[in-house]
Amino acid sequence: GAVVSQHPSRVICKSGTSVKIECRSLDFQATTMFWYRQFPKKSLMLMATSNEGSKATYEQGVEKDKFLINHASLTLSTLTVTSAHPEDSSFYICSASSGGSETQYFGPGTRLLVL
Amino acid sequence: QKEVEQDPGPLSVPEGAIVSLNCTYSNSAFQYFMWYRQYSRKGPELLMYTYSSGNKEDGRFTAQVDKSSKYISLFIRDSQPSDSATYLCAMSVGGGSNYKLTFGKGTLLTVNP
Repeated sequence: GAVVSQHPSRVICKSGTSVKIECRSLDFQATTMFWYRQFPKKSLMLMATSNEGSKATYEQGVEKDKFLINHASLTLSTLTVTSAHPEDSSFYICSASSGGSETQYFGPGTRLLVL
Repeated sequence: QKEVEQDPGPLSVPEGAIVSLNCTYSNSAFQYFMWYRQYSRKGPELLMYTYSSGNKEDGRFTAQVDKSSKYISLFIRDSQPSDSATYLCAMSVGGGSNYKLTFGKGTLLTVNP
């Protein structure tokens, strides 16, 4: 149980375009979803926390107009990187929790490359 | 000083060795401690979850927490090549899955057959 999927697993896009990443909880209802970013050989950095039906809470230094997060249902959250630039290239990972669980369950990640 | 410090390694050991992985932290508000395993290009997978000082054992894995020293460890006994991965410590101020996690950088472990 507690499976989280992400789509796509890998995406390459041109600079200036927008990219949408989906995070789904497959076998439980996720009241809270988290979005992380991970650079090579670096730790996971929390970008934002989203609760179903509410606006996301962004961490300091994360541009909310650039990284749009939507958590419209208990099984789906999306992260849209708007007007992507090469410095946005990274590994984006989501996690989901049901509130009653001990910890968060992570998705497999999405590798974004902006050319 | 970063909230969580973890030696990134890399750490290379022969099969069957005992592995010791460590993290230190500065925020005394952290009360819940986790260890995750992350294979290359994959999401983290929870290995151990503890909230009290002392040891917690699960199979070949033992998590140790010393809140007075702000120091946590993960021991892997009889290490296997399949244990080769990056190990991340994580901690939070509250229990339950809604609290945000603060991660260490991760330690890259290679177990050689």
